[in-house]
Amino acid sequence: GAVVSQHPSWVICKSGTSVKIECRSLDFQATTMFWYRQFPKQSLMLMATSNEGSKATYEQGVEKDKFLINHASLTLSTLTVTSAHPEDSSFYICSAHPGAGNSPLHFGNGTRLTVT
Amino acid sequence: GDSVTQMEGPVTLSEEAFLTINCTYTATGYPSLFWYVQYPGEGLQLLLKATKADDKGSNKGFEATYRKETTSFHLEKGSVQVSDSAVYFCALSQDQGGKLIFGQGTELSVKP
Repeated sequence: GAVVSQHPSWVICKSGTSVKIECRSLDFQATTMFWYRQFPKQSLMLMATSNEGSKATYEQGVEKDKFLINHASLTLSTLTVTSAHPEDSSFYICSAHPGAGNSPLHFGNGTRLTVT
Repeated sequence: GDSVTQMEGPVTLSEEAFLTINCTYTATGYPSLFWYVQYPGEGLQLLLKATKADDKGSNKGFEATYRKETTSFHLEKGSVQVSDSAVYFCALSQDQGGKLIFGQGTELSVKP
């Protein structure tokens, strides 16, 4: 079945550094990928919609200069958390949509980011 | 805007008990409705879905019926197992599963 690979699964970084998270669709092409953020014991909050070959669409309240999204190919989207701070610590999850009618959304296993 | 509300957890049940997790939504038009499950340390997996009123989604013994009149999509299972312990998310989509709006999640813990 369709698989979405997210890497790394966890990362610890120092305050002020940048972290890149990759999301790959392994056996299908994804023109659209979504990035979510999940706080402990809370729901997933959509951060942005990543469109291959064009700029990402950010949800209200999400800083586009802080959370850089690049969707350079039909199988890869990256989220870069720039100048990370402890309040950016969270669980980040990507999802990819094959784009065909009623095809389901496929989720990566998430990335646990801890900023010290 | 559109939103989803789930019953608060955690829900703790004994094995073979009956499960209901309530989910109601607010949305314009006729969204598609979904239940996703998140096992510890993993990403989300689609459990079941329904795309129009009165549709019943079912999978692995779980089922939910799209009720337009009550704007609900309650998740049920007749006999839960320890392996069903996870967090369950109700969600809606206005574009057949692309952009999803999630409820807050309900943690289920099943004891042997």
